[in-house]
Amino acid sequence: GDSVTQTEGPVTVSESESLIINCTYSATSIAYPNLFWYVRYPGEGLQLLLKVITAGQKGSSRGFEATYNKETTSFHLQKASVQESDSAVYYCALGDDNYAQGLTFGLGTRVSVFP
Amino acid sequence: GPKVLQIPSHQIIDMGQMVTLNCDPVSNHLYFYWYKQILGQQMEFLVNFYNGKVMEKSKLFKDQFSVERPDGSYFTLKIQPTALEDSAVYFCASSLVLNTGQLYFGEGSKLTVL
Repeated sequence: GDSVTQTEGPVTVSESESLIINCTYSATSIAYPNLFWYVRYPGEGLQLLLKVITAGQKGSSRGFEATYNKETTSFHLQKASVQESDSAVYYCALGDDNYAQGLTFGLGTRVSVFP
Repeated sequence: GPKVLQIPSHQIIDMGQMVTLNCDPVSNHLYFYWYKQILGQQMEFLVNFYNGKVMEKSKLFKDQFSVERPDGSYFTLKIQPTALEDSAVYFCASSLVLNTGQLYFGEGSKLTVL
């Protein structure tokens, strides 16, 4: 089946430092899956951070970026300078074009940003 | 942003009992989902629901599970009877359309079956 593997947390960084969360995927049933980063802030439900549906493209949101690399089957999430408000759990996910079988999620990476 | 509310946040029941988990989706959304996350594992798709019907379900969606949204009220997941392996956090989600992957999730309902 399909699977997503991401950096095991928790990850601790200081404010204004850079952050990278690795994500690799295996999509046995989908040739070119759509890729997502979801985020759960404290006290809130999971919400979409960014998505990319075309290989080679980059998605960005709230200062975060991720590039869909089909050669390395990766979709790493990066931010050049994190803020305390970026403390959250980040989930990498994949899906097919109609999401009939829903999204396949990674385990999540807890990130704590300290001032 | 849009909020999905789940009730209860935590429920403890004895094996064999029935449980209903309630979800209040985003008001204008049309597609509804349940996901299950066992402690230490990935969140996994259970079912999606549209226009009063189950569209797709995974192998995790056992015969003891059922979903409905009577009269546009709560979207519910019922488990009857419950088993020990049903202990998990259940996440409800909703979306306006199907083919974007943009789901809005609730905070989850933690179910403990004793």
